[in-house]
Amino acid sequence: SQQGEEDPQALSIQEGENATMNCSYKTSINNLQWYRQNSGRGLVHLILIRSNEREKHSGRLRVTLDTSKKSSSLLITASRAADTASYFCATAITSGTYKYIFGTGTRLKVLA
Amino acid sequence: DGGITQSPKYLFRKEGQNVTLSCEQNLNHDAMYWYRQDPGQGLRLIYYSQIVNDFQKGDIAEGYSVSREKKESFPLTVTSAQKNPTAFYLCASSAPGLVGYNEQFFGPGTRLTVL
Repeated sequence: SQQGEEDPQALSIQEGENATMNCSYKTSINNLQWYRQNSGRGLVHLILIRSNEREKHSGRLRVTLDTSKKSSSLLITASRAADTASYFCATAITSGTYKYIFGTGTRLKVLA
Repeated sequence: DGGITQSPKYLFRKEGQNVTLSCEQNLNHDAMYWYRQDPGQGLRLIYYSQIVNDFQKGDIAEGYSVSREKKESFPLTVTSAQKNPTAFYLCASSAPGLVGYNEQFFGPGTRLTVL
Protein backbone atom coordinates (compact mmCIF):
# COMPACT_ATOMS: atom_id res chain seq x y z
CA SER A 1 0.00 0.00 0.00
CA GLN A 2 1.17 3.51 -0.70
CA GLN A 3 -0.65 4.85 2.31
CA GLY A 4 1.34 6.94 4.74
CA GLU A 5 1.69 6.18 8.38
CA GLU A 6 0.99 8.50 11.25
CA ASP A 7 1.91 8.19 14.88
CA PRO A 8 0.72 8.12 17.44
CA GLN A 9 -2.58 6.58 16.40
CA ALA A 10 -4.22 8.26 19.38
CA LEU A 11 -3.15 11.06 21.69
CA SER A 12 -4.80 12.41 24.81
CA ILE A 13 -3.58 15.64 26.42
CA GLN A 14 -4.74 18.35 28.80
CA GLU A 15 -5.95 21.70 27.56
CA GLY A 16 -3.03 24.12 27.25
CA GLU A 17 -0.48 21.43 26.45
CA ASN A 18 1.18 21.02 23.08
CA ALA A 19 0.30 18.14 20.75
CA THR A 20 2.76 16.65 18.30
CA MET A 21 1.88 14.13 15.62
CA ASN A 22 4.11 12.60 12.99
CA CYS A 23 3.63 11.43 9.43
CA SER A 24 5.86 9.20 7.30
CA TYR A 25 5.42 8.60 3.61
CA LYS A 26 6.96 6.45 0.91
CA THR A 27 7.13 8.29 -2.42
CA SER A 28 8.60 11.51 -3.78
CA ILE A 29 6.23 14.37 -3.15
CA ASN A 30 5.29 17.75 -4.55
CA ASN A 31 3.89 18.93 -1.23
CA LEU A 32 2.49 17.62 2.03
CA GLN A 33 -0.77 18.78 3.58
CA TRP A 34 -2.41 18.39 6.96
CA TYR A 35 -6.15 18.07 7.43
CA ARG A 36 -8.48 17.93 10.41
CA GLN A 37 -11.63 15.84 10.62
CA ASN A 38 -14.26 16.21 13.30
CA SER A 39 -16.23 13.07 13.99
CA GLY A 40 -18.56 12.17 11.13
CA ARG A 41 -17.66 15.21 9.07
CA GLY A 42 -15.61 16.07 6.00
CA LEU A 43 -11.96 17.03 6.17
CA VAL A 44 -10.79 20.60 6.56
CA HIS A 45 -7.46 21.74 5.16
CA LEU A 46 -5.05 23.15 7.77
CA ILE A 47 -1.71 23.82 6.16
CA LEU A 48 0.38 22.96 3.09
CA ILE A 49 4.16 22.67 3.00
CA ARG A 50 6.03 22.34 -0.27
CA SER A 51 8.86 19.88 -0.83
CA ASN A 52 11.45 22.71 -0.89
CA GLU A 53 10.27 24.09 2.48
CA ARG A 54 11.43 22.83 5.86
CA GLU A 55 9.08 24.59 8.27
CA LYS A 56 5.83 26.49 8.12
CA HIS A 57 3.63 28.24 10.68
CA SER A 58 -0.05 29.10 10.74
CA GLY A 59 -1.47 30.46 13.97
CA ARG A 60 -0.98 27.77 16.62
CA LEU A 61 0.17 25.23 14.02
CA ARG A 62 3.77 24.46 13.14
CA VAL A 63 4.64 21.96 10.45
CA THR A 64 8.07 20.59 9.61
CA LEU A 65 9.12 18.53 6.63
CA ASP A 66 12.21 16.35 6.24
CA THR A 67 12.27 14.98 2.70
CA SER A 68 15.45 12.98 3.35
CA LYS A 69 13.62 11.01 6.03
CA LYS A 70 10.26 11.20 4.21
CA SER A 71 8.60 12.50 7.33
CA SER A 72 6.64 15.47 8.63
CA SER A 73 5.38 16.61 12.00
CA LEU A 74 2.46 18.77 13.06
CA LEU A 75 2.67 20.68 16.32
CA ILE A 76 -0.42 22.27 17.83
CA THR A 77 0.54 24.66 20.62
CA ALA A 78 -1.62 25.63 23.59
CA SER A 79 -4.27 23.09 22.66
CA ARG A 80 -7.97 23.67 23.29
CA ALA A 81 -10.88 21.30 23.73
CA ALA A 82 -12.06 22.40 20.28
CA ASP A 83 -8.90 20.88 18.78
CA THR A 84 -10.29 17.41 19.56
CA ALA A 85 -10.44 15.72 16.16
CA SER A 86 -8.59 13.34 13.86
CA TYR A 87 -5.63 14.74 11.98
CA PHE A 88 -4.43 13.39 8.64
CA CYS A 89 -1.42 14.08 6.50
CA ALA A 90 -1.76 13.87 2.73
CA THR A 91 1.02 13.82 0.18
CA ALA A 92 0.66 15.15 -3.34
CA ILE A 93 2.83 12.78 -5.32
CA THR A 94 4.98 13.75 -8.30
CA SER A 95 3.65 11.22 -10.78
CA GLY A 96 2.17 13.80 -13.14
CA THR A 97 -1.36 13.19 -11.91
CA TYR A 98 -3.19 15.23 -9.31
CA LYS A 99 -3.41 12.45 -6.78
CA TYR A 100 -3.11 12.57 -3.00
CA ILE A 101 -2.17 9.80 -0.59
CA PHE A 102 -3.56 10.04 2.93
CA GLY A 103 -2.04 8.79 6.13
CA THR A 104 -3.88 6.66 8.64
CA GLY A 105 -4.57 9.57 10.99
CA THR A 106 -3.98 10.56 14.60
CA ARG A 107 -6.98 10.84 16.90
CA LEU A 108 -6.40 13.74 19.27
CA LYS A 109 -8.42 14.25 22.41
CA VAL A 110 -7.92 17.45 24.39
CA LEU A 111 -9.28 17.25 27.92
CA ALA A 112 -10.70 20.40 29.49
CA ASP B 1 -21.61 30.32 -1.05
CA GLY B 2 -18.82 28.48 -2.79
CA GLY B 3 -18.36 24.91 -1.78
CA ILE B 4 -18.80 21.23 -2.38
CA THR B 5 -21.99 19.37 -1.56
CA GLN B 6 -22.83 15.71 -1.23
CA SER B 7 -26.18 14.03 -1.08
CA PRO B 8 -27.74 12.24 0.56
CA LYS B 9 -26.14 12.45 4.00
CA TYR B 10 -27.32 8.95 4.90
CA LEU B 11 -28.12 6.18 2.44
CA PHE B 12 -29.39 2.68 3.03
CA ARG B 13 -29.10 0.00 0.42
CA LYS B 14 -30.30 -3.54 0.17
CA GLU B 15 -27.83 -6.15 -0.96
CA GLY B 16 -27.79 -6.51 -4.74
CA GLN B 17 -28.82 -2.90 -5.42
CA ASN B 18 -26.81 -0.21 -7.14
CA VAL B 19 -26.84 3.23 -5.55
CA THR B 20 -25.53 6.58 -6.75
CA LEU B 21 -23.95 9.19 -4.51
CA SER B 22 -24.06 12.77 -5.65
CA CYS B 23 -21.18 15.27 -5.52
CA GLU B 24 -21.43 18.84 -6.81
CA GLN B 25 -18.97 21.73 -6.59
CA ASN B 26 -19.21 25.39 -7.57
CA LEU B 27 -15.55 26.17 -6.96
CA ASN B 28 -14.66 25.89 -10.65
CA HIS B 29 -12.13 23.18 -9.77
CA ASP B 30 -10.84 20.93 -12.52
CA ALA B 31 -10.05 17.91 -10.33
CA MET B 32 -12.53 15.88 -8.31
CA TYR B 33 -12.04 12.83 -6.12
CA TRP B 34 -13.95 10.09 -4.32
CA TYR B 35 -12.60 8.52 -1.15
CA ARG B 36 -13.83 5.76 1.09
CA GLN B 37 -13.29 5.89 4.85
CA ASP B 38 -13.88 2.93 7.15
CA PRO B 39 -14.26 3.36 10.93
CA GLY B 40 -11.05 4.55 12.56
CA GLN B 41 -9.22 4.47 9.25
CA GLY B 42 -7.69 6.89 6.79
CA LEU B 43 -9.00 7.75 3.36
CA ARG B 44 -8.61 5.43 0.39
CA LEU B 45 -8.94 6.74 -3.15
CA ILE B 46 -11.68 5.19 -5.28
CA TYR B 47 -11.66 7.31 -8.45
CA TYR B 48 -10.43 10.72 -9.48
CA SER B 49 -10.95 13.00 -12.44
CA GLN B 50 -8.67 15.79 -13.59
CA ILE B 51 -10.86 17.03 -16.43
CA VAL B 52 -14.34 16.62 -17.84
CA ASN B 53 -14.97 13.31 -19.63
CA ASP B 54 -11.86 11.74 -18.14
CA PHE B 55 -11.31 9.81 -14.93
CA GLN B 56 -8.80 7.42 -13.43
CA LYS B 57 -9.06 4.45 -11.08
CA GLY B 58 -7.70 4.88 -7.61
CA ASP B 59 -6.53 2.19 -5.22
CA ILE B 60 -9.92 0.54 -4.60
CA ALA B 61 -11.99 1.07 -7.77
CA GLU B 62 -13.43 -2.45 -7.99
CA GLY B 63 -17.21 -2.42 -7.58
CA TYR B 64 -17.51 1.33 -8.18
CA SER B 65 -18.14 3.45 -11.27
CA VAL B 66 -18.09 7.19 -11.96
CA SER B 67 -18.85 9.70 -14.68
CA ARG B 68 -17.66 13.25 -15.29
CA GLU B 69 -19.98 14.79 -17.87
CA LYS B 70 -19.90 18.24 -16.30
CA LYS B 71 -17.14 20.11 -14.51
CA GLU B 72 -19.35 20.66 -11.47
CA SER B 73 -20.51 17.09 -10.99
CA PHE B 74 -18.82 13.76 -10.21
CA PRO B 75 -21.37 11.10 -9.19
CA LEU B 76 -20.24 7.77 -7.75
CA THR B 77 -22.21 4.57 -8.28
CA VAL B 78 -21.71 1.77 -5.81
CA THR B 79 -22.59 -1.39 -7.68
CA SER B 80 -23.73 -4.76 -6.40
CA ALA B 81 -20.25 -6.04 -7.26
CA GLN B 82 -18.79 -4.11 -4.31
CA LYS B 83 -18.53 -6.77 -1.63
CA ASN B 84 -18.47 -4.58 1.45
CA PRO B 85 -19.87 -1.16 0.61
CA THR B 86 -20.83 0.00 4.11
CA ALA B 87 -18.58 3.00 4.72
CA PHE B 88 -18.33 6.78 4.83
CA TYR B 89 -17.82 8.27 1.36
CA LEU B 90 -16.11 11.60 0.87
CA CYS B 91 -15.94 13.71 -2.26
CA ALA B 92 -13.29 16.38 -2.76
CA SER B 93 -12.16 18.85 -5.36
CA SER B 94 -8.98 20.78 -6.03
CA ALA B 95 -7.37 23.11 -8.51
CA PRO B 96 -3.83 22.76 -9.78
CA GLY B 97 -1.65 25.61 -8.57
CA LEU B 98 1.13 27.51 -10.25
CA VAL B 99 3.60 25.24 -8.47
CA GLY B 100 2.20 21.80 -7.91
CA TYR B 101 -1.14 21.05 -6.37
CA ASN B 102 -3.37 23.08 -4.10
CA GLU B 103 -5.34 21.86 -1.14
CA GLN B 104 -8.43 19.72 -1.44
CA PHE B 105 -11.88 20.90 -0.43
CA PHE B 106 -14.11 18.20 1.00
CA GLY B 107 -17.83 17.69 1.07
CA PRO B 108 -19.66 16.67 4.26
CA GLY B 109 -19.75 13.00 3.28
CA THR B 110 -22.37 10.31 2.68
CA ARG B 111 -22.71 7.42 5.09
CA LEU B 112 -23.80 4.31 3.20
CA THR B 113 -25.19 1.33 5.04
CA VAL B 114 -26.04 -1.98 3.41
CA LEU B 115 -28.95 -3.74 5.06
